[in-house]
Amino acid sequence: EVQLVQSGAEVKKPGESLKISCKGSGYSFTSYWIGWVRQMPGKGLEWMGIIYPGDSDTRYSPSFQGQVTISADKSISTAYLQWSSLKASDTAMYYCARLGRGGYCSSTSCYSDYWGQGTLVTVSS
Amino acid sequence: EIVMTQSPATLSVSPGERATLSCRASQSVSSNLAWYQQKPGQAPRLLIYGASTRATGIPARFSGSGSGTEFTLTISSLQSEDFAVYYCQQYNNWLNFGQGTKVEIK
Repeated sequence: EVQLVQSGAEVKKPGESLKISCKGSGYSFTSYWIGWVRQMPGKGLEWMGIIYPGDSDTRYSPSFQGQVTISADKSISTAYLQWSSLKASDTAMYYCARLGRGGYCSSTSCYSDYWGQGTLVTVSS
Repeated sequence: EIVMTQSPATLSVSPGERATLSCRASQSVSSNLAWYQQKPGQAPRLLIYGASTRATGIPARFSGSGSGTEFTLTISSLQSEDFAVYYCQQYNNWLNFGQGTKVEIK
């Protein structure tokens, strides 16, 4: 069974750093892109970026380039999302999601077939 | 960037009725379009990919259609568990979600 299990909720102060995680199991972690989606309180879904753990190829949405860092440790099948200096506006739910593979994908991307349970990040002084 | 526009923002439907949700892309995304359902406090769930293929375990009352720039998600007979927010997402050129349609009980 494919599972993505995310780390727990975090409460941080502005300016602090943070790294949250997403552990994959039940599939070949190095063979699928995995990404991060932000959902601000009461708002919609936004793609932040994706990583291919097999070779660490990483791509960011323009809105998030330079604002966060996405990484992966394939030895423990875990993807990460990190901030060096949090802002109050980073308060949101963050989901990891696996991108599918196969004939219904485009040449550059794919739908997300499995999702983590979400990590709530609260940034407040 | 491809902009995805969903309509309506909110759809009020009675249980057992049909719901039709629309999604428009600012440029062609071919059939590289997915639909997701999100209930309060839950992660999104994949419903449809390739514009019209149901994901594993998705009931037949959910159907998707369209290609290019115009797409539709139809729920043929709404059940109580279908009241949720629905998002379309293109994956033809990067990844972009629509802003969502909330399906609420009338």
